[in-house]
Amino acid sequence: AAGVIQSPRHLIKEKRETATLKCYPIPRHDTVYWYQQGPGQDPQFLISFYEKMQSDKGSIPDRFSAQQFSDYHSELNMSSLELGDSALYFCASSLGRGTRQPQHFGDGTRLSIL
Amino acid sequence: AQTVTQSQPEMSVQEAETVTLSCTYDTSESDYYLFWYKQPPSRQMILVIRQEAYKQQNATENRFSVNFQKAAKSFSLKISDSQLGDAAMYFCAYRTSYSGGGADGLTFGKGTHLIIQP
Repeated sequence: AAGVIQSPRHLIKEKRETATLKCYPIPRHDTVYWYQQGPGQDPQFLISFYEKMQSDKGSIPDRFSAQQFSDYHSELNMSSLELGDSALYFCASSLGRGTRQPQHFGDGTRLSIL
Repeated sequence: AQTVTQSQPEMSVQEAETVTLSCTYDTSESDYYLFWYKQPPSRQMILVIRQEAYKQQNATENRFSVNFQKAAKSFSLKISDSQLGDAAMYFCAYRTSYSGGGADGLTFGKGTHLIIQP
């Protein structure tokens, strides 16, 4: 079965640079979620989109923005990167929001800030 | 805001034995969903089992089952016949039902690191 695809798998950036992470949801899934997992931490919800509109917002810094496109893929844009942004970034998708359908996670993008 | 608490940072069990991981949560909502996710060393997040709050029957998936106590706000995971491949970090997670309003992102506990002794 098709899964959530995230690219790139690994990304190395320097402080103050920008980064763009991409997420391709499972086919027919209309809801995308972004999470940030720091070293040894639990995943923290950043933002979600339903039918190309922002659905919910968590602890996403103002330096980050995201959007969902007409083909339902999503991009997380990160600017003025800081050392503390080094983390594993997960994208998840589901069919519908707030429903019994679970969120299926991609393998994550590991972002390292030098 | 909802909170999820996993009071066991680490648990160890002998292969083939049974282990129970604890999770409690705090919410004022009546309709919500609870999940257990497994994160092995590969760092993938794998759904293990889910429970709808309106269902009294405890969910079961093969060797994995839950003990859902809504009044006590408790949601423990039991793993029977533990296998080496069960070794991972286990996260308990909460999500509101959209009909109840509020956030639709998952709220995770801090996780329990499960070690399987051969």
